[in-house]
Amino acid sequence: GAVVSQHPSRVICKSGTSVKIECRSLDFQATTMFWYRQFPKQSLMLMATSNEGSKATYEQGVEKDKFLINHASLTLSTLTVTSAHPEDSSFYICSAEPRTGLDRNIQYFGAGTRLSVL
Amino acid sequence: RKEVEQDPGPFNVPEGATVAFNCTYSNSASQSFFWYRQDCRKEPKLLMSVYSSGNEDGRFTAQLNRASQYISLLIRDSKLSDSATYLCVVNKPNDYKLSFGAGTTVTVRA
Repeated sequence: GAVVSQHPSRVICKSGTSVKIECRSLDFQATTMFWYRQFPKQSLMLMATSNEGSKATYEQGVEKDKFLINHASLTLSTLTVTSAHPEDSSFYICSAEPRTGLDRNIQYFGAGTRLSVL
Repeated sequence: RKEVEQDPGPFNVPEGATVAFNCTYSNSASQSFFWYRQDCRKEPKLLMSVYSSGNEDGRFTAQLNRASQYISLLIRDSKLSDSATYLCVVNKPNDYKLSFGAGTTVTVRA
């Protein structure tokens, strides 16, 4: 299957710090990437849809000024958690859909970033 | 009502046993269905897509019942390595977005 790389895997930071998470599709081009958040024992919740070359589409209740998304190329999307607070501590996961091929409707996930805000 | 609902389990089964569980979805217009597997503190990984006619991949069998709006996953001859949380995933109609269930935890014991 396709490979999606997410970095960093773990972040511990102080309250008020901004944290940047990168998501890369390594062996395919992804027009669309997705950012999810998962709290313990809960399902993945879609935060936003990232489209290459255009503004991200945010789900209801997700603050676009707090969670900045940039999709600069067909293989890279970044999520920046600005002025992080302890309630932002969570598991953030990105996914990407291949642009072409038989698996173009399949989402492949990065390994996730565990954010802990002190 | 949640878009996708799953029995959280856990299902504790001995090695070699068969385990099966369902997932229900609320929107009858949903078109694509998947089972993903998620290990503790890791990312979800696609286990299999679910097709209308049902499909099998080795020890795993998935079924779709559109009339009752549920999908099922059956694992035969359980292995210790099957221990994980299985996520039911359904696409949003006319949309590329996915809705995730909270997962069903399976623990296979020796």
